[in-house]
Amino acid sequence: DIVMTQSPDSLAVSLGERATINCKSSQSVLYSSNNKNSLAWYQQKPGQPPKLLIYWASSRESGVPDRFSGSGSGTDFTLTISSLQAEDVAVYYCQQYYSTPFTFGPGTKVDIK
Amino acid sequence: QVQLVESGGGVVQPGRSLRLSCAASGFTFNVYAMHWVRQAPGKGLEWVAVISYDGSNKYYADSAKGRFTISRDNSKNTLYLQMNSLRGEDTAVYYCARAIDVVTALSGFDPWGQGTLVTVSS
Repeated sequence: DIVMTQSPDSLAVSLGERATINCKSSQSVLYSSNNKNSLAWYQQKPGQPPKLLIYWASSRESGVPDRFSGSGSGTDFTLTISSLQAEDVAVYYCQQYYSTPFTFGPGTKVDIK
Repeated sequence: QVQLVESGGGVVQPGRSLRLSCAASGFTFNVYAMHWVRQAPGKGLEWVAVISYDGSNKYYADSAKGRFTISRDNSKNTLYLQMNSLRGEDTAVYYCARAIDVVTALSGFDPWGQGTLVTVSS
């Protein structure tokens, strides 16, 4: 199984400042058929289901604000919120869909400082 | 609009069974793989199972193998999860989610349903 880890566990950022979340997979999730990384990012607010933000490591889902961006390749990935807004307070999960079981990271809680 | 609505959760005794349903609407159900994902109270997300668009392929987490069965009825636009021999550690909110790309299961998950709570307790 591919193990996903995230850092930090939590972070507090001032409004308008940058938030950076790291995700590492225990093996490469680069899909050779399309040369893309099988890595997604989700946002989950309290009492709500997760919401897809980023797929293929860097493709933004329709309707997601452009302050959210994903980067990385192979085993190391980053989700960046360029200018934190109050509505971005949530837990963020990375997930690999390279192979079953489709594992999630443990989550990173983002708060306002 | 695209929508997934889960049902069938509740309180069940250890060792008993429960069947969850996920009703899909607003999209062509029979061209998308579908997933079940669960979240124990206060914990992270755990993928449970996936079924291919035509029901021919199914894969499970180790925690679900041999006890849970994923299925779908494309004529009813409905996904199911049959859960047998339930344990306390199966207590969670169960979400159904759709693959974002047609046909393949190797893609992100969106949308997600609101979830249905399963509580296993005597």
